[in-house]
Amino acid sequence: GAGVSQSPSNKVTEKGKDVELRCDPISGHTALYWYRQSLGQGLEFLIYFQGNSAPDKSGLPSDRFSAERTGGSVSTLTIQRTQQEDSAVYLCASSFGGPGDEQFFGPGTRLTVL
Amino acid sequence: QKEVEQNSGPLSVPEGAIASLNCTYSDRVSQSFFWYRQYSGKSPELIMSIYSNGDKEDGRFTAQLNKASQYVSLLIRDSQPSDSATYLCAVATGFQKLVFGTGTRLLVSP
Repeated sequence: GAGVSQSPSNKVTEKGKDVELRCDPISGHTALYWYRQSLGQGLEFLIYFQGNSAPDKSGLPSDRFSAERTGGSVSTLTIQRTQQEDSAVYLCASSFGGPGDEQFFGPGTRLTVL
Repeated sequence: QKEVEQNSGPLSVPEGAIASLNCTYSDRVSQSFFWYRQYSGKSPELIMSIYSNGDKEDGRFTAQLNKASQYVSLLIRDSQPSDSATYLCAVATGFQKLVFGTGTRLLVSP
């Protein structure tokens, strides 16, 4: 596939459980971004990876959220001790990593915390 | 003041008309500007990017940028019912994150 892929497409979990969301960027893209879209809210930046540089974590809403990117490719976003307010669509995007390069989004993971 | 502002709409236009979508941004050092289309239940799809003042055309779409006025717009000519979606304006500074407006919902009636 040529596009960004994400898994799972849907995740239902119970409050207090941990979840892992996966993103596989477009081949050749060095920059990877995580965003969140909640009902009634706009798209909210979470974290940004660029090559081997330290990630920009400025958008993570709490220390329950973390992300890693292994081998400069696949990324995993982990939410610990999920809360109902974590329910949202989590979107991953990738780009070639140059200033202002176009970002292309994956299909997203819809997370529902019961 | 929100960083990126859009009228939430809905903007209703008849089929074949021109739809005009507007966006203002607050950060004067913003350098890159994007329009995404988002259908209900789907992820954002990039339509246009624009980096310099003026117009940029791609098929039925024209993006317009005025950095002095901190204003970016998207014109859709010959609007089709399939254009009915939410249009998201996004602004970036350098390598950084995209900051999105809340989107304008466009309805094109047959």
